Amino acid sequence: AQSVTQPDIHITVSEGASLELRCNYSYGATPYLFWYVQSPGQGLQLLLKYFSGDTLVQGIKGFEAEFKRSQSSFNLRKPSVHWSDAAEYFCAARSSGGSYIPTFGRGTSLIVHP
Amino acid sequence: EAGVAQSPRYKIIEKRQSVAFWCNPISGHATLYWYQQILGQGPKLLIQFQNNGVVDDSQLPKDRFSAERLKGVDSTLKIQPAKLEDSAVYLCASSLVRVYEQYFGPGTRLTVT
Repeated sequence: AQSVTQPDIHITVSEGASLELRCNYSYGATPYLFWYVQSPGQGLQLLLKYFSGDTLVQGIKGFEAEFKRSQSSFNLRKPSVHWSDAAEYFCAARSSGGSYIPTFGRGTSLIVHP
Repeated sequence: EAGVAQSPRYKIIEKRQSVAFWCNPISGHATLYWYQQILGQGPKLLIQFQNNGVVDDSQLPKDRFSAERLKGVDSTLKIQPAKLEDSAVYLCASSLVRVYEQYFGPGTRLTVT
């Protein structure tokens, strides 16, 4: 079955420190991959997406993600975290053919210490 | 460009009552999605529309949930009768076509008591 796994429920970092959020997927073929951010009481906002091509993807708010086919991973990174980055982060995937049904991971809650 | 609109933002009902949620997608977006997000979990797709046709509703509990998208624009999601386990945030999203990224509304937080 198709699935997206975010192994970390919570991540705590200090402001200014670097960040990496993990995401692994299980699909028959390489899916389309996405990272979304959700602030409290808000809907999800797209940070970046990967369809094909360059495996290092740049997104909004200084985020980037690297697709690694050999590891079935799509990890999100940011070199220097700001207090405003505290939120819930969701990795998502959808098949690159067929019905394009999207699947979300359970999310990683980012806590930023001053 | 206006985003995805949802109403109401909050709803509290008793179990066995009925409730309806409304969604207005971004203008021109052909695909509309309804998700259920239970506290501490990622969104789970309930139903996906392409224009006014259903693409996938395999995870929609059809004995109590129903959804429609008349005229391929606005959509409503209904629960009748509600159960305690339906307490969740119901998110609506839209995309230009199925393969493209989705844009989410703010959600409706439903509490069933």
